[in-house]
Amino acid sequence: AQSVTQPDIHITVSEGASLELRCNYSYGATPYLFWYVQSPGQGLQLLLKYFSGDTLVQGIKGFEAEFKRSQSSFNLRKPSVHWSDAAEYFCARNPGYSTLTFGKGTMLLVSP
Amino acid sequence: DTGVSQDPRHKITKRGQNVTFRCDPISEHNRLYWYRQTLGQGPEFLTYFQNEAQLEKSRLLSDRFSAERPKGSFSTLEIQRTEQGDSAMYLCASSGDTQYFGPGTRLTVL
Repeated sequence: AQSVTQPDIHITVSEGASLELRCNYSYGATPYLFWYVQSPGQGLQLLLKYFSGDTLVQGIKGFEAEFKRSQSSFNLRKPSVHWSDAAEYFCARNPGYSTLTFGKGTMLLVSP
Repeated sequence: DTGVSQDPRHKITKRGQNVTFRCDPISEHNRLYWYRQTLGQGPEFLTYFQNEAQLEKSRLLSDRFSAERPKGSFSTLEIQRTEQGDSAMYLCASSGDTQYFGPGTRLTVL
């Protein structure tokens, strides 16, 4: 079955420091890959997506992600974290126009 | 605002009662999805519509759950005889090639 793994449940980063959130997907045909962010009590906001083509994708709020087929990974990065980035981040995949399979999420804490 | 909307945002009910949630998708999207999210977990798929046709249902969708999208626009999710285990955030999404989510309905079953 398709799966998405986010190995880090919590990450704490100092404000202004760089960030990398890890995401691995189970082996299969190249999926469509997504990163969403969720603030407490809110729905999910799309940060970026990868369908095909350039493996480095740019998203909103200064985020980017790189698809690495050899590692089955789609890690999310940001060069300088702001306090407002504190939230929960979800990686997701689907094989096409179908349902999303989500990871369990990574909670990002930003320290002053 | 032309995003996905959900109503109500919060619902508190007693065990055994029926509840109904509504989702209004982005108008040009013909696909609509329902997910459930419990604390500390990612959203889990419940069911999916293309226009008015319900094309896929998860095994999570027990007989007490029913979803409709009668005219291919808004959708409703009904839970009958609620149980405490139904307490969760219920998320709706609509899509063209990308799913966009509503703010969710937080259900608390006492």
